[in-house]
Amino acid sequence: SQKIEQNSEALNIQEGKTATLTCNYTNYSPAYLQWYRQDPGRGPVFLLLIRENEKEKRKERLKVTFDTTLKQSLFHITASQPADSATYLCALEKTGGFKTIFGAGTRLFVKA
Amino acid sequence: ETGVTQSPTHLIKTRGQQVTLRCSSQSGHNTVSWYQQALGQGPQFIFQYYREEENGRGNFPPRFSGLQFPNYSSELNVNALELDDSALYLCASSLVMGDGGELFFGEGSRLTVL
Repeated sequence: SQKIEQNSEALNIQEGKTATLTCNYTNYSPAYLQWYRQDPGRGPVFLLLIRENEKEKRKERLKVTFDTTLKQSLFHITASQPADSATYLCALEKTGGFKTIFGAGTRLFVKA
Repeated sequence: ETGVTQSPTHLIKTRGQQVTLRCSSQSGHNTVSWYQQALGQGPQFIFQYYREEENGRGNFPPRFSGLQFPNYSSELNVNALELDDSALYLCASSLVMGDGGELFFGEGSRLTVL
């Protein structure tokens, strides 16, 4: 069955460092991979989309890589700030698909 | 441009009851998806509506049903509530379907089943 794996353990880093979150998937060939941020008790908020034919995407302090051979995406937040503390969700969608499927998310804590 | 709004924000029901959750999609969006998110888990896809028709369904039983109206707002109905139905129910609207279009989520409806 389709499976998305994100590190279930929380990631604790110091302010100013780069946070790197991992998303691995199996039994799936996504055309699109998205990253969302979710704060406690709130709905997810879209951050970045990367397509299967793209290797890397950047937006301000965020960078996403997509390796369809390894079936893996890495999500980087550079110069991290305490305000970046949240849960980050990886999501996949096929071309012409009707549903976006989500991983369980990784909780990030940035300490001042 | 208004965002996705959901109601009610919180509700408590007892086992066996029925519940209706409502969602107003973002202006101009014709696709609405519903997700169930249990504590500590990622959102699980329930179903999607496109132009008033169910377009796809996840692994949820028939007691989970929905509607989409001509103005693209939507309802999620759950019959014969079970304890495991306790979760955050999220509605997401999008402008395009199947093209990686970003999902715009509401803040969710927190359902507790006692």
